[in-house]
Amino acid sequence: DTAVSQTPKYLVTQMGNDKSIKCEQNLGHDTMYWYKQDSKKFLKIMFSYNNKELIINETVPNRFSPKSPDKAHLNLHINSLELGDSAVYFCASSPMLGVGNTIYFGEGSWLTVV
Amino acid sequence: GNSVTQMEGPVTLSEEAFLTINCTYTATGYPSLFWYVQYPGEGLQLLLKATKADDKGSNKGFEATYRKETTSFHLEKGSVQVSDSAVYFCALREKGTGTASKLTFGTGTRLQVTL
Repeated sequence: DTAVSQTPKYLVTQMGNDKSIKCEQNLGHDTMYWYKQDSKKFLKIMFSYNNKELIINETVPNRFSPKSPDKAHLNLHINSLELGDSAVYFCASSPMLGVGNTIYFGEGSWLTVV
Repeated sequence: GNSVTQMEGPVTLSEEAFLTINCTYTATGYPSLFWYVQYPGEGLQLLLKATKADDKGSNKGFEATYRKETTSFHLEKGSVQVSDSAVYFCALREKGTGTASKLTFGTGTRLQVTL
């Protein structure tokens, strides 16, 4: 009954590979996000989708491509992985409107590029 | 742009000590304010929130009051436990263009509570 679930939780891969992280939410929310947490624990938004439409796209290399097949899913595909991509990636969701609405996070996907 | 500034950690306290983690923000409009907690090896959990000035958010013995005049949202707890050891993130959410509305996080403050 996990609200926001993402897989895999841990991923170790070599430079140059392509990998995907999947995310699903069962909260009925309209908006989903990807955040990146670096080695110093700093959290920064990467993307946001609202009803399958991209609404936030921060300065992220175009090797990162989000895909939202429906409003309950937001997957993150990363091409040509680099060492600097090693981080924890958090998926999140929230109701569409209202800045007071809580954003709910998944448990994170720990990506290590070697 | 929006920003959140938190006190640098780590903060090390003995069990039952009083906790304050300072958080100040810069925003152009009227944001909502949040505290999230990240326990070791886990994801982010909402701890508490406040959506307008003078609101007090509270949960699990933690409290924070939205102070518009000082643009602050300091986190407090009267008596910490070892199980409170975690990283605490202050964050704000302000309406962006259209429906875009993201969380802007502070850098996080690590709390270590010892017996």
